[in-house]
Amino acid sequence: AQSVTQLDSQVPVFEEAPVELRCNYSSSVSVYLFWYVQYPNQGLQLLLKYLSGSTLVKGINGFEAEFNKSQTSFHLRKPSVHISDTAEYFCAVSDLTTGGGNKLTFGTGTQLKVEL
Amino acid sequence: NAGVTQTPKFRILKIGQSMTLQCAQDMNHNYMYWYRQDPGMGLKLIYYSVGAGITDKGEVPNGYNVSRSTTEDFPLRLELAAPSQTSVYFCASSSVAGGTDTQYFGPGTRLTVL
Repeated sequence: AQSVTQLDSQVPVFEEAPVELRCNYSSSVSVYLFWYVQYPNQGLQLLLKYLSGSTLVKGINGFEAEFNKSQTSFHLRKPSVHISDTAEYFCAVSDLTTGGGNKLTFGTGTQLKVEL
Repeated sequence: NAGVTQTPKFRILKIGQSMTLQCAQDMNHNYMYWYRQDPGMGLKLIYYSVGAGITDKGEVPNGYNVSRSTTEDFPLRLELAAPSQTSVYFCASSSVAGGTDTQYFGPGTRLTVL
């Protein structure tokens, strides 16, 4: 079964500093990858997704992620964070090789806390 | 366009009680999902549906039941509530298979079982 590892449960960062949130998934030939964001007391919303094509994916709010097949990683980055980016971020993967296109496997989440 | 709506927002149950968490979407999506979110555990899939009349188990289905009689509604039933079911429950929907495109989430139901 597919698994997703988010190595950092919490990441504190100062406003206007760069940030990288790490995500690794278990190896598979064919996967789709997603980052979702959850603001306090809200549901999740899509930040960005990799389905095919360019390995550098740009999302909303200035975030981007790079798909690295050899390292089975999909790290999320932002060059300059804002206080409003404080939220929990979830990496998710679907494994198409096992017929799992109907559903996602989520990581345990990374809490990003932006400080002044 | 309300998107995905969930009721109630909060609920406290006693052990052994039953309840139904309601989920509705107005986007004409075929795919619908129920997740539970526990602190530090991410989201776990409980059940999902690929269309009216078709449901399937996810990763953690024990203690729950679902039905999908219409495209719009996907209720989740807890028959005998247990403290282990204390969690935040999210419903989501997608127009195509949820592992291939965006899932749209509701605001969640916070359930406490005492």
